[in-house]
Amino acid sequence: KNEVEQSPQNLTAQEGEFITINCSYSVGISALHWLQQHPGGGIVSLFMLSSGKKKHGRLIATINIQEKHSSLHITASHPRDSAVYICAVRGWVKIIFGKGTRLHILP
Amino acid sequence: EAGVAQSPRYKIIEKRQSVAFWCNPISGHATLYWYQQILGQGPKLLIQFQNNGVVDDSQLPKDRFSAERLKGVDSTLKIQPAKLEDSAVYLCASSLGGLADSSYNEQFFGPGTRLTVL
Repeated sequence: KNEVEQSPQNLTAQEGEFITINCSYSVGISALHWLQQHPGGGIVSLFMLSSGKKKHGRLIATINIQEKHSSLHITASHPRDSAVYICAVRGWVKIIFGKGTRLHILP
Repeated sequence: EAGVAQSPRYKIIEKRQSVAFWCNPISGHATLYWYQQILGQGPKLLIQFQNNGVVDDSQLPKDRFSAERLKGVDSTLKIQPAKLEDSAVYLCASSLGGLADSSYNEQFFGPGTRLTVL
């Protein structure tokens, strides 16, 4: 079993829909990252969080340390949100990445 | 603020050849990471430097991969000799601090180098 699991692996939705991407992990962590990777390969850090909730524009990230689970939400999704979203957990020794969720927003 | 720079952006080589990638992190960032991302998978950490010292290279295939950060700034990652399974995007990232300092460990990624081994 992978130490970081993301779901779904692929998601296609219509523009305007509310999107939720989930991340579960099995190791102790000091922080969790949500990253966005566009088709060209560039990776952008969206959030780094260790508790509670953070919000940037239409993006919201939450984490439940007890349940070892985090969610990334996108409100009023737009085709430019189409990308791979990667969850990465920062343990005490190393950082572990999930395989990513490929999101495709249809106009 | 300039971002993380990597070169080359693309490289095609034949198996058994050697290749080197270069990374220039954001100025002042003490920590530098090299990742390998195979198509369809998440990035895998190859090596992490704190200044010019190695913090973690547990997943670096040391029989063929090597990396250095001699002056604690730029870094090079070398593969010698390359195998077909080394085809991947090699990402460099940097952060102000390291794992022990959670306030400063947000990572900034470079554009990556896409390696194709034929």
